[in-house]
Amino acid sequence: EAQVTQNPRYLITVTGKKLTVTCSQNMNHEYMSWYRQDPGLGLRQIYYSMNVEVTDKGDVPEGYKVSRKEKRNFPLILESPSPNQTSLYFCASNPGLPYNEQFFGPGTRLTVL
Amino acid sequence: AQSVAQPEDQVNVAEGNPLTVKCTYSVSGNPYLFWYVQYPNRGLQFLLKYITGDNLVKGSYGFEAEFNKSQTSFHLKKPSALVSDSALYFCAVRGGSFNKFYFGSGTKLNVKP
Repeated sequence: EAQVTQNPRYLITVTGKKLTVTCSQNMNHEYMSWYRQDPGLGLRQIYYSMNVEVTDKGDVPEGYKVSRKEKRNFPLILESPSPNQTSLYFCASNPGLPYNEQFFGPGTRLTVL
Repeated sequence: AQSVAQPEDQVNVAEGNPLTVKCTYSVSGNPYLFWYVQYPNRGLQFLLKYITGDNLVKGSYGFEAEFNKSQTSFHLKKPSALVSDSALYFCAVRGGSFNKFYFGSGTKLNVKP
């Protein structure tokens, strides 16, 4: 089944404790991205990647890191999480052409205490 | 600045009545336009998109959307609403100088029996 998977689905952590949210897609997509969803703000892009080893900042990259060492994986790293990073996070992928729709993962609900 | 606006936080409609969820955008160039739906505790699912051609595009679950270039709008419509259509709907636009994705803040659709 074609899908985007994220792990973990739920995470409660404390301020400053490094964490990684994994994202993997099995559709051989070129483009991958991370979003955070907050009430009233919709989805805001954190980082995106056009291909392996190519990443770029989205609209809200502060406090996040990403890497794209393999085509299928695009982990999101929070080196020192803070409470304002409490949010619902989505990973998405698409084949890479501008008119391609995105395929979204199920989401990761992160709470930083 | 590039932006996507969904002016209504919530739309209420009775089952069987037509529904419209509004979206306007301010994105440079000739952007591509998308609608997604999000059910509770789920990721976003693609509904339909406009690339070029006919201004009325049809998508999944009986939804359609009308593109209006002069008004820079892409309103989502359905002739007869179902209770099961109740969900959160997002308009998205891809375009601008860096061909990025921009999302609206979302509209909650409530369909009452």
